[in-house]
Amino acid sequence: AQTVTQSQPEMSVQEAETVTLSCTYDTSESDYYLFWYKQPPSRQMILVIRQEAYKQQNATENRFSVNFQKAAKSFSLKISDSQLGDAAMYFCAYRSPAGGTSYGKLTFGQGTILTVHP
Amino acid sequence: DADVTQTPRNRITKTGKRIMLECSQTKGHDRMYWYRQDPGLGLRLIYYSFDVKDINKGEISDGYSVSRQAQAKFSLSLESAIPNQTALYFCATSEQPPGTHGYTFGSGTRLTVV
Repeated sequence: AQTVTQSQPEMSVQEAETVTLSCTYDTSESDYYLFWYKQPPSRQMILVIRQEAYKQQNATENRFSVNFQKAAKSFSLKISDSQLGDAAMYFCAYRSPAGGTSYGKLTFGQGTILTVHP
Repeated sequence: DADVTQTPRNRITKTGKRIMLECSQTKGHDRMYWYRQDPGLGLRLIYYSFDVKDINKGEISDGYSVSRQAQAKFSLSLESAIPNQTALYFCATSEQPPGTHGYTFGSGTRLTVV
């Protein structure tokens, strides 16, 4: 079974600075999807960024980018120019490729609480 | 209106009571999921349904049951609630196949069992 590990229960950053959240995963599959979700105090789960494993290029969405290291099974999230509104719980998630009993199911990490200081 | 609606938003119930959490969606997705979120554990899959006639257990299904009443409705029941079922519960949907867009989540139901 796939596992996802976020080793940083809490992180903090100063407003306008850069922070990196770590995520590692374990899988025997070669093709899969990885996601970062943001959960603000409103509880809503918001998709931040996604990465297809077959793509070597790291995904970028505005101030959010990932460092995807397939061989190391690492998928970190970098937030640049941090804003107060970035404060939230962040979840890393893995999704299996087509086929097999795990098809389509998301497996989540434990989450990292990000605090942004003004 | 939200794409995925969960009711109730918050609920306090007593040990031993039966409780149902409801989820409805307007996305037209075939796949629906129930997760629970606990501090330090992330979200864990309880049950999932790929269509109305296809329901499957997730990793933590003990103590829970589900009903897929229609493509748009997927409810989660706790037959006899216990305190360690206190958690935040999420319903989610996805396309068939899921594509690259991950899931669409409801806003969660915070359940407290006293």
